[in-house]
Amino acid sequence: QKEVEQNSGPLSVPEGAIASLNCTYSDRGSQSFFWYRQYSGKSPELIMFIYSNGDKEDGRFTAQLNKASQYVSLLIRDSQPSDSATYLCAVRSNFGNEKLTFGTGTRLTIIP
Amino acid sequence: DVKVTQSSRYLVKRTGEKVFLECVQDMDHENMFWYRQDPGLGLRLIYFSYDVKMKEKGDIPEGYSVSREKKERFSLILESASTNQTSMYLCASRPPGDSPLHFGNGTRLTVT
Repeated sequence: QKEVEQNSGPLSVPEGAIASLNCTYSDRGSQSFFWYRQYSGKSPELIMFIYSNGDKEDGRFTAQLNKASQYVSLLIRDSQPSDSATYLCAVRSNFGNEKLTFGTGTRLTIIP
Repeated sequence: DVKVTQSSRYLVKRTGEKVFLECVQDMDHENMFWYRQDPGLGLRLIYFSYDVKMKEKGDIPEGYSVSREKKERFSLILESASTNQTSMYLCASRPPGDSPLHFGNGTRLTVT
């Protein structure tokens, strides 16, 4: 089992709809969770991070964390064509471990 | 804003050459990382460093070494480049704790 798993997609969503991206992780001791967006040929850029169970909202983006189910998701409301990118989930395993482990990413396409 | 600078955007090297990839960050971050990114495999950690002269192996260290003589600079070395090291290489840095990674622009290395 991979440490961090994402559906590779592609995920196609109509413009204006909600895009839902999912990520599961295997280490129950994981403490912090990050969502990055990566445009083709560019480096990843941080969208959101979440540490506590529940929802965290930032503009059109909402991160949801459920540690009991070892599941983290990213919702994008009012999807725009500029949201078309690959979304990477990253997990930091536990305190004292400085490395982040990434999923393989989900490719999202917003259809105008 | 954090700036992580990778010395080359594109590199073409021959099999057997010794290759140096340089990375400099300007935010006094303790932690620095080298990842490679390949289609379908996502971002995989090669090496990271949590302090000057300190290094730890990541998930795929074989064929690579690193050097961190100064806090702001982290070098990745391919001792004898091989074609299977053709990839996008991403450097990143962050302070300790639950802070996100800041990525450089990446170096696309081709080994022929």
